[in-house]
Amino acid sequence: DIQMTQSPSSLSASVGDRVTITCRASQSISTYLNWYQQKQGEAPKVLIYAASTLPRGVPSRFSGSGSGTDFTLTISRLQPEDFATYSCQQSLASPYTFGQGTKLEI
Amino acid sequence: EVQLVESGGDLVPPGGSLRLSCVISGSNISNYEINWVRQAPGKGLEWVSYISSRGNVQYHADSVEGRFTISRDNAKNSVYLQLNSLRVEDTARYYCASVVVVAAYTYFGPWGQGTLVTVSS
Repeated sequence: DIQMTQSPSSLSASVGDRVTITCRASQSISTYLNWYQQKQGEAPKVLIYAASTLPRGVPSRFSGSGSGTDFTLTISRLQPEDFATYSCQQSLASPYTFGQGTKLEI
Repeated sequence: EVQLVESGGDLVPPGGSLRLSCVISGSNISNYEINWVRQAPGKGLEWVSYISSRGNVQYHADSVEGRFTISRDNAKNSVYLQLNSLRVEDTARYYCASVVVVAAYTYFGPWGQGTLVTVSS
């Protein structure tokens, strides 16, 4: 199975900050990498797929980059509604494993 | 837009069984591949099972292989997850999620709100 490792596990930031979360795959996954946002008490929601593509409706302050084994999620100017848990997922091969999550806190 | 609603979660003793249901509305379910994903309290997301749109292909995580079975009834707009030989470590909120395909890429979305399974004596 492909293992996904995120860092950091938690992160403290303030409104207006720029933050970066990293995700590393145990083997090359090209750009088969998704990012999800999960707010407390809610289901996850996709933020980015194919490593850098934003689905319709996702604010442009979110961006993703990387290929192969190393990926990043960047939020350019934190908004109050961005405080949540972020998880990466590889979609190259089953099982479609997730990272352990990064909790973004104020 | 397609909507998913899970049900069937409950408190069961170790060794017990449950059947979870995921009802899909808003679109023709036979077009959608469906996954079950679980999240233990305070933990990350864990993919559990997958079923193809016609139901002829299923995959399960190693941690549930031989104990959990995914199935679907497109006539009832429903996907099911049969949970047998439950263990304490199966305690989690179970989500169903549809698969979105864009060119060669896939992602999970939308998701249901989840149903809580608690395994405890």
